[in-house]
Amino acid sequence: DAKTTQPPSMDCAEGRAANLPCNHSTISGNEYVYWYRQIHSQGPQYIIHGLKNNETNEMASLIITEDRKSSTLILPHATLRDTAVYYCIASDSWGKLQFGAGTQVVVTP
Amino acid sequence: DAGVIQSPRHEVTEMGQEVTLRCKPISGHNSLFWYRQTMMRGLELLIYFNNNVPIDDSGMPEDRFSAKMPNASFSTLKIQPSEPRDSAVYFCASSRSSRAFFGQGTRLTVV
Repeated sequence: DAKTTQPPSMDCAEGRAANLPCNHSTISGNEYVYWYRQIHSQGPQYIIHGLKNNETNEMASLIITEDRKSSTLILPHATLRDTAVYYCIASDSWGKLQFGAGTQVVVTP
Repeated sequence: DAGVIQSPRHEVTEMGQEVTLRCKPISGHNSLFWYRQTMMRGLELLIYFNNNVPIDDSGMPEDRFSAKMPNASFSTLKIQPSEPRDSAVYFCASSRSSRAFFGQGTRLTVV
């Protein structure tokens, strides 16, 4: 699986959009970009995934660059409950996931 | 659906004892995964099963660790004998397509 690079931490104001970047410059053609998050003491939670096109669901939007070397997860209106570690993963298997260190997101009032 | 169910939620055992962690995947899911999380190493994939068959156990740290999936609704991860460095949170996850669902984990402490 391709290695991903994420900033170690970021803060976001409640109610504002949170834009989480991820670099995956060595991603291969059959690898999807997955985003999971882990709220303290809980198991990881699936957020969204995509291959080439931008994706949106009830939780977030995923923007993937045309060359697929980077992506951005957008939480449109961050709430305090969105405080978590967010993991960006490039994988050709939806369950065989190689988790990195992720980005610790803190949403402040 | 109750989600992926793991038991026990917490386990404290003495070094040298056998430990068995249990997992009930979501009904209808055909893939099951065991992960381990520590502060030092983060989340690591230990083993995964597809249709009850172990596919990749390259992440299992050593022979003291073994995992079984006797049927589609149950899996165990066993450590024998346990050591203090096995202390971690162990997660089970299951999937059918496109996404994995994780349990709440078992926090294991070996003293």
